[in-house]
Amino acid sequence: QVQLVQSGAEVKKPGSSVKVSCKASGGTFSSYAMSWVRQAPGQGLEWMGGIIPIIGTPNYAQKFQGRVTITADKSTSTAYMELSSLRYEDTAVYYCARDPVPPDFLDYWGQGTLVTVSS
Amino acid sequence: QSALTQPASVSGSPGQSITISCTGTSSDVGANNYVSWYQQHPGKAPKLMIYDVSNRPSGVSNRFSGSKSGNTASLTISGLQPEDEADYYCSSYTSITRVFGGGTKLTVL
Repeated sequence: QVQLVQSGAEVKKPGSSVKVSCKASGGTFSSYAMSWVRQAPGQGLEWMGGIIPIIGTPNYAQKFQGRVTITADKSTSTAYMELSSLRYEDTAVYYCARDPVPPDFLDYWGQGTLVTVSS
Repeated sequence: QSALTQPASVSGSPGQSITISCTGTSSDVGANNYVSWYQQHPGKAPKLMIYDVSNRPSGVSNRFSGSKSGNTASLTISGLQPEDEADYYCSSYTSITRVFGGGTKLTVL
């Protein structure tokens, strides 16, 4: 059974950075892509970007270009999403989700990580 | 890339059928068959319900079905049940970019 387990909740100050991890088990990590999706309180889903670990080159939504870095460590089957220059409006639940290759649909999701930006 | 357009809310009584639309453009929904639908209950992670316009993952009830015409995709839920009450999101993947709809809140009366 595929499982994606994310790191715990974070509280960050404006202007700082946050790095969220997503450890995969039960599947072949390198054979899939991994996407990151966020959801602000009471709002909809927003795709931030993704990576195909076997290739290693991420692609990002235009909105987050320059502020987000997505990486993957094949040796530990873990994907990471780092968001910098945090603003209050970055307060959200951040999800990782598995994507087949070529990317198509998100079939398994992590439990979500709440990131709160507060002074 | 703009979000796909979904109705903010729909409602139906148990046993009835409802349809949720998802309107995009020829650059996203209309560009290929990479349209998927997700169900999200409060406080939970989204769950894949439909992929590639009309395919159901293993374990998803056959009461859920999907279709597409031009730039508009649709999710139909037949035989509504109380547990179907949730938020539903469509998504399209094209040109290395994924976009979601704004979400539709389904209320089962």
